[in-house]
Amino acid sequence: NAGVTQTPKFRVLKTGQSMTLLCAQDMNHEYMYWYRQDPGMGLRLIHYSVGEGTTAKGEVPDGYNVSRLKKQNFLLGLESAAPSQTSVYFCASARGQGSGGYTFGSGTRLTVV
Amino acid sequence: DQQVKQNSPSLSVQEGRISILNCDYTNSMFDYFLWYKKYPAEGPTFLISISSIKDKNEDGRFTVFLNKSAKHLSLHIVPSQPGDSAVYFCAASASTGTYKYIFGTGTRLKVLA
Repeated sequence: NAGVTQTPKFRVLKTGQSMTLLCAQDMNHEYMYWYRQDPGMGLRLIHYSVGEGTTAKGEVPDGYNVSRLKKQNFLLGLESAAPSQTSVYFCASARGQGSGGYTFGSGTRLTVV
Repeated sequence: DQQVKQNSPSLSVQEGRISILNCDYTNSMFDYFLWYKKYPAEGPTFLISISSIKDKNEDGRFTVFLNKSAKHLSLHIVPSQPGDSAVYFCAASASTGTYKYIFGTGTRLKVLA
C-alpha cells in the first residue's frame, strides 16, 4: 500500500527551465494538495484540487500551474523556474473532514540555480 | 498575515517529562485542528486532531487541548521519549468543503535522554 508517491525526490534546475512534479495516490482520495516548505515559513499551500478535473489556488500560487486529469494524480508544473522556487515540495491527499487530515508524500527537494 | 502561529521555534525536554507545544490562531472560522509530526527527509505524519465542539482529545501519550475563546491549542506529550524528537506542526481549517489546512511554522522538539 504505497499511499502518496512523489516523483522525483530530488531535482536541480537552471533558472528559466521548466519541470513537472508528479503526485500519485492509491487511496481513492478526492482531495489533493501541493505545499511548499521553507525554513521559518512552515508549510504553505500552493494549489489544491477537490476532485478530478478541478483545481484552485492556495496561498502562494504564483509561478506554478497544476492539473488533475485523473483522480489519482495531481501534477505541479513550473513553467520558468526561479531561485525563489527552491524549496521542498509536499503533496498530500485527503478523503475529507474528520478523516484524520492529510496523508503526505515524502517530498521533492528542488533547487533552482 | 500568519493565521496560525507557533511562537516557539524549538523546545528541549528531558526524557520522561511533559512536552507542551503551543499554537495560536487568528481566524475564528477555523473549526478543525490537527497536529503533525515530521522527521527529517520525510513527509509530515498525522498525530492527533480536535474539532471545535471539543476542548480536549486524547490518544495514548498525546493530548490536544483547545481554548476557543483564546484561539489557542496545545499538544501535551506525556511522558516524552527520545523518539518524539521531531518538528511538530499545528494546522487549522474552516468547514468550507475544501479541507484546506493552514499550517503553523513548526516547533522543533528535542527530547534529551
